[in-house]
Amino acid sequence: GAGVSQSPSNKVTEKGKDVELRCDPISGHTALYWYRQSLGQGLEFLIYFQGNSAPDKSGLPSDRFSAERTGGSVSTLTIQRTQQEDSAVYLCASSLSLAHEQYFGPGTRLTVT
Amino acid sequence: QKEVEQNSGPLSVPEGAIASLNCTYSDRGSQSFFWYRQYSGKSPELIMSIYSNGDKEDGRFTAQLNKASQYVSLLIRDSQPSDSATYLCAVTRSSNTGKLIFGQGTTLQVKP
Repeated sequence: GAGVSQSPSNKVTEKGKDVELRCDPISGHTALYWYRQSLGQGLEFLIYFQGNSAPDKSGLPSDRFSAERTGGSVSTLTIQRTQQEDSAVYLCASSLSLAHEQYFGPGTRLTVT
Repeated sequence: QKEVEQNSGPLSVPEGAIASLNCTYSDRGSQSFFWYRQYSGKSPELIMSIYSNGDKEDGRFTAQLNKASQYVSLLIRDSQPSDSATYLCAVTRSSNTGKLIFGQGTTLQVKP
């Protein structure tokens, strides 16, 4: 079946602009996660959604970052007033439910100039 | 001390040999353990999950978990050049969270 999809695959933006990254999870998966991977920082958790529960936002690095999940499916990660340190690969993953195996999408490479 | 630690490598093994990748974690209450493979420029791909002490085998891969010693390992038998990648160890603290905590990864090189 179809895996996790993300768009765009690449995004170049100017410092100070807002960006939106989209994730479409595997059908039937109730949990959706956002991570980012940058050189020197490894893979770090940002936020996850599980069903109708309040999201765990504990990994968001600043209030410039926000995410929503509409209808229990597609999710959008928004970064406002982008900074150069936001440059990274943003990865989305989904799982059947919490603590189950997570499957990653191809990622969005964000470059802030 | 990092919560999940891996030797960054590179670990170099000849084709056909057994590659042994190790990971230690600091939170004794950690519940679930995963190994991901990541090729350069690609996203992580799940290889194995393990939840209880002992060994779990899947094809050429064996995951080993020892909660008392707080380590988890991945053995790759009959290593192939196509196994050359970075291997990421990931842990969840409890069954009530999906937050994966990743190690920095071990780079494996399998030489023909």
